[in-house]
Amino acid sequence: DGGITQSPKYLFRKEGQNVTLSCEQNLNHDAMYWYRQDPGQGLRLIYYSQIVNDFQKGDIAEGYSVSREKKESFPLTVTSAQKNPTAFYLCASSLGESSYNEQFFGPGTRLTVL
Amino acid sequence: GQSLEQPSEVTAVEGAIVQINCTYQTSGFYGLSWYQQHDGGAPTFLSYNALDGLEETGRFSSFLSRSDSYGYLLLQELQMKDSASYFCAVSGQGGKLIFGQGTELSVKP
Repeated sequence: DGGITQSPKYLFRKEGQNVTLSCEQNLNHDAMYWYRQDPGQGLRLIYYSQIVNDFQKGDIAEGYSVSREKKESFPLTVTSAQKNPTAFYLCASSLGESSYNEQFFGPGTRLTVL
Repeated sequence: GQSLEQPSEVTAVEGAIVQINCTYQTSGFYGLSWYQQHDGGAPTFLSYNALDGLEETGRFSSFLSRSDSYGYLLLQELQMKDSASYFCAVSGQGGKLIFGQGTELSVKP
């Protein structure tokens, strides 16, 4: 079955540590996205990538980094510079950069920084 | 800047019809999407409007008026399983989505 996987589902880290969240898709989608969701809030775009080896900052990129070395993978690193990293992180993918493409979401990773 | 407004909460009874409104201010508008998210889960796509008018998909319909920067999601024959959060999202250049804050729908028996 095609889809998007994120691991782990729950992640706990100590303050000051970097942590990398995994996102893999086998939908053959060109575009991939990372969002952050806080309780009772909408989704805010962190980074997105429309093609391998290229990515752009979203609205809240500070304190985060990404890489896109393979079409299937778009890992997100939450660095110690992110002031309030505890949140629900969602990865999504879509066919490409045309003006509209339905985004397919992974199950999310809930990060708690202690 | 870009912003979307939708009600934070809506309550309705099983079998009823409910409308969730969304107004937006954005540049580079391509269309309005709606996503459903059950508590703790992944958002799933419901509908998309690029042109003015009504799009119908089963019990769900979505409407867009580009001149009014306004759209709505209409849910008919409400079921308990429809209790979830509903997000409108504006499509911009490069496939980016800007999401609203979400409307929590509670369906009562």
